[in-house]
Amino acid sequence: DADVTQTPRNRITKTGKRIMLECSQTKGHDRMYWYRQDPGLGLRLIYYSFDVKDINKGEISDGYSVSRQAQAKFSLSLESAIPNQTALYFCATSVGGQGIYEQYFGPGTRLTVT
Amino acid sequence: DQQVKQNSPSLSVQEGRISILNCDYTNSMFDYFLWYKKYPAEGPTFLISISSIKDKNEDGRFTVFLNKSAKHLSLHIVPSQPGDSAVYFCAASVSGGSNYKLTFGKGTLLTVNP
Repeated sequence: DADVTQTPRNRITKTGKRIMLECSQTKGHDRMYWYRQDPGLGLRLIYYSFDVKDINKGEISDGYSVSRQAQAKFSLSLESAIPNQTALYFCATSVGGQGIYEQYFGPGTRLTVT
Repeated sequence: DQQVKQNSPSLSVQEGRISILNCDYTNSMFDYFLWYKKYPAEGPTFLISISSIKDKNEDGRFTVFLNKSAKHLSLHIVPSQPGDSAVYFCAASVSGGSNYKLTFGKGTLLTVNP
């Protein structure tokens, strides 16, 4: 079984609709992240959470919100989807602490907003 | 301002030869660097990392070289195999208070021809 799972894997929605992307992990990591990837661009950080009570904005948080329901679950919501939110979305996890730790990514959700 | 640059969008090499993927950075605060590999329809997977206290790190067929004065790092794959065909992302981080944040390059598509 995959350590980091994302649902749905693909989603097509209409402009103005609310949509939620979900992420679950079995790695036992404290830190969770949401990224988006656009064609020809690297991954950009949307939100991150260091534990259940800690939520922080990343570099491109406008138009998005998140919820950390449990250590293992981190959801990303688009309250009113717009076409330029069409992208590949990745959830990632890492251990906490003072060192630099690699992040482990889920398989991604391809979102299309029409 | 793009702080991590992968100036070659694509690279094609023959099986058995060396693949060299390059990455430049502009932020002198970066002191930890990672390479990720991404196959289509999958999330990025961690490949290898290097701290700025080193100039080389090796793991099997993969070696990362860091030239701090030039703000340049490279990933060498020897020998290259068809299964290495993927997009490779360079990422950089700052140890200390912001150790969660990875700044990614745009990626380089490596194609290894049989």
